[in-house]
Amino acid sequence: GAVVSQHPSRVICKSGTSVKIECRSLDFQATTMFWYRQFPKQSLMLMATSNEGSKATYEQGVEKDKFLINHASLTLSTLTVTSAHPEDSSFYICSGLAALSYNEQFFGPGTRLTVL
Amino acid sequence: AQTVTQSQPEMSVQEAETVTLSCTYDTSENNYYLFWYKQPPSRQMILVIRQEAYKQQNATENRFSVNFQKAAKSFSLKISDSQLGDTAMYFCAFMKSSGAGSYQLTFGKGTKLSVIP
Repeated sequence: GAVVSQHPSRVICKSGTSVKIECRSLDFQATTMFWYRQFPKQSLMLMATSNEGSKATYEQGVEKDKFLINHASLTLSTLTVTSAHPEDSSFYICSGLAALSYNEQFFGPGTRLTVL
Repeated sequence: AQTVTQSQPEMSVQEAETVTLSCTYDTSENNYYLFWYKQPPSRQMILVIRQEAYKQQNATENRFSVNFQKAAKSFSLKISDSQLGDTAMYFCAFMKSSGAGSYQLTFGKGTKLSVIP
């Protein structure tokens, strides 16, 4: 299957700082990428849908000024958590939509963010 | 809006036995996809099996098969000859294939499956 990478795999930062997470589709073009958040022992919650070259669409309750998403190319989307606070600590997962693979989403390995 | 319900938070099965995980969903859409994903302790999401709603035949992938009942909006996963490597969280997911919000996944809360040696 298609491969999606995320970097970093884990990050620890101080409260008030910003953190950028990269999501790359390595062997396919992803016109659409998705960002999810997963709390311990819970399911994946969609945060936003990112389309290449256009503004991201955020789900209700997700602050777009806090979670900045950029999808500048067909293989790269970034999520920046601005002015991070301890409650932003979570597992963040991205996925890429491969239109040539029956609209299947391929998931990255996730990024564990810990805000002190 | 779509909803996906997994009513079994945890299940266990003896190695080599068969287990069935339940999933129901609610939607007004006619065309959609259904998925089962596996999330092992590594937390990497892995596609187990998918089903197109327009297909009446149940999908099968080696030891994994589904029982898709469109009228009842039910989509259960059967794992045959369970192996230790099947131990994971299993998520049922819904994807609409047209209109606003298409290709987004809506996940159930998950079922934690433990395979006992």
